[in-house]
Amino acid sequence: ETGVTQTPRHLVMGMTNKKSLKCEQHLGHNAMYWYKQSAKKPLELMFVYNFKEQTENNSVPSRFSPECPNSSHLFLHLHTLQPEDSALYLCASSRVGEGGISYEQYFGPGTRLTVT
Amino acid sequence: RKEVEQDPGPFNVPEGATVAFNCTYSNSASQSFFWYRQDCRKEPKLLMSVYSSGNEDGRFTAQLNRASQYISLLIRDSKLSDSATYLCVVSKIQYGNKLVFGAGTILRVKS
Repeated sequence: ETGVTQTPRHLVMGMTNKKSLKCEQHLGHNAMYWYKQSAKKPLELMFVYNFKEQTENNSVPSRFSPECPNSSHLFLHLHTLQPEDSALYLCASSRVGEGGISYEQYFGPGTRLTVT
Repeated sequence: RKEVEQDPGPFNVPEGATVAFNCTYSNSASQSFFWYRQDCRKEPKLLMSVYSSGNEDGRFTAQLNRASQYISLLIRDSKLSDSATYLCVVSKIQYGNKLVFGAGTILRVKS
C-alpha cells in the first residue's frame, strides 16, 4: 500500500540468536531509516541512510547493525539482543531534496520483535 | 524542553464533533511540518503536510503559526474511524533529513 515492505512481520528470538530484518522501498526514494517504537513510547530514530551512506547513528548499541546495499534495500542485523529490545521496528523512506531538506517519510508495516 | 510537544490526551469526543489538536516546536529554524496518524499496533501514515498558508483536505485542516511556533490540526464531523493517535512531526535543515516526532495525541471518537 505505501510502497515500503518489511519482513518478517513478527519475530521471536532468543538472546543468543542472530537474525536480520529486511526493508525494501519501491518509491524511488533516496533515503531510508530505521526506527524503534516501544510500547506506549514515541518513535525513536535509530539510523539514517542517504544515498546508501549512513549519516546518523543515534547512539544505538552495537548489537544492532544496519546495512544498506543500495537505495532500495535496508537491513537491520540483530545479535545478542536483550529482552528490553522487544519493540516494533519500523523502516521508512523519503526523498531528500537539495540542501538536505526533508520530505515526508513513508513507513513500512514494521516487524514486531520479541526477545525471550 | 522537548523538541516537539503535544497534549497526549486522550480526547474523547462524540461522533460528529469538531476537535482540534495543537503542537509546539522548539526550533525556530524548522522547515517542514507534517501530521501523521497511527492506529494501534500499526505504522504511522502521513495524514497531511502543513504549509505556511494553511491547508485543508476534506474534514481535516492544518495550520502553521511560525511566529508562535505551533501547528494545529482541526477535524470536523468526527467519525469513529478517526480514532487513532495523531503525531505532530517537524524537520529541520540543520539536522539533515531527520524528522522529529511528537509523542502523539490520542483521539477516541464514540457513538
